[in-house]
Amino acid sequence: NAGVMQNPRHLVRRRGQEARLRCSPMKGHSHVYWYRQLPEEGLKFMVYLQKENIIDESGMPKERFSAEFPKEGPSILRIQQVVRGDSAAYFCASSPGQGKNQPQHFGDGTRLSIL
Amino acid sequence: GDSVTQMEGPVTLSEEAFLTINCTYTATGYPSLFWYVQYPGEGLQLLLKATKADDKGSNKGFEATYRKETTSFHLEKGSVQVSDSAVYFCALNRETSGSRLTFGEGTQLTVNP
Repeated sequence: NAGVMQNPRHLVRRRGQEARLRCSPMKGHSHVYWYRQLPEEGLKFMVYLQKENIIDESGMPKERFSAEFPKEGPSILRIQQVVRGDSAAYFCASSPGQGKNQPQHFGDGTRLSIL
Repeated sequence: GDSVTQMEGPVTLSEEAFLTINCTYTATGYPSLFWYVQYPGEGLQLLLKATKADDKGSNKGFEATYRKETTSFHLEKGSVQVSDSAVYFCALNRETSGSRLTFGEGTQLTVNP
């Protein structure tokens, strides 16, 4: 069974460009979560999606950030007009269902560097 | 709001030493508790979990007991190996928090031969 697949593993962008991060959940998982890890810090929740629906985006900045999980294809985290402070590791996780007992399975992350 | 506090790192031990990494939490209701491990350059892997008070999670020689009275979930291992060197994260999940995980800051463990 393939795990959670994220790509690219590393992404370099200049200030003002757009960054697109992709996440394919584990087979059979319809719940996707995005987290951000700043250097030397823990992971912070950004957004929770199910197929075609955003369930909770309370952790995502209101401007420049958006996320989607279409009926077909991977989930996408999009950052427009990137700034230096966006440099971080972005992790995607998936679970087969909702609820506090459902363990989330993580991908290896996308490390975003802003020049 | 929910929060998780871990003991400050980094922690450096010799092989076969006893490990404790403290974790306490603040949350309303009855959260589920998790320990994740992150090896360099990789994502987080679930190490163990406990879903109710007095549950003990265990995996690969690691253990943690859900203590409601002290709101703690300390990670222990009787004899660490060099391969246990990694960053360890304590996390909680409340049903009413939309299934999000709330993480501690992580504890870097280095085990020397």
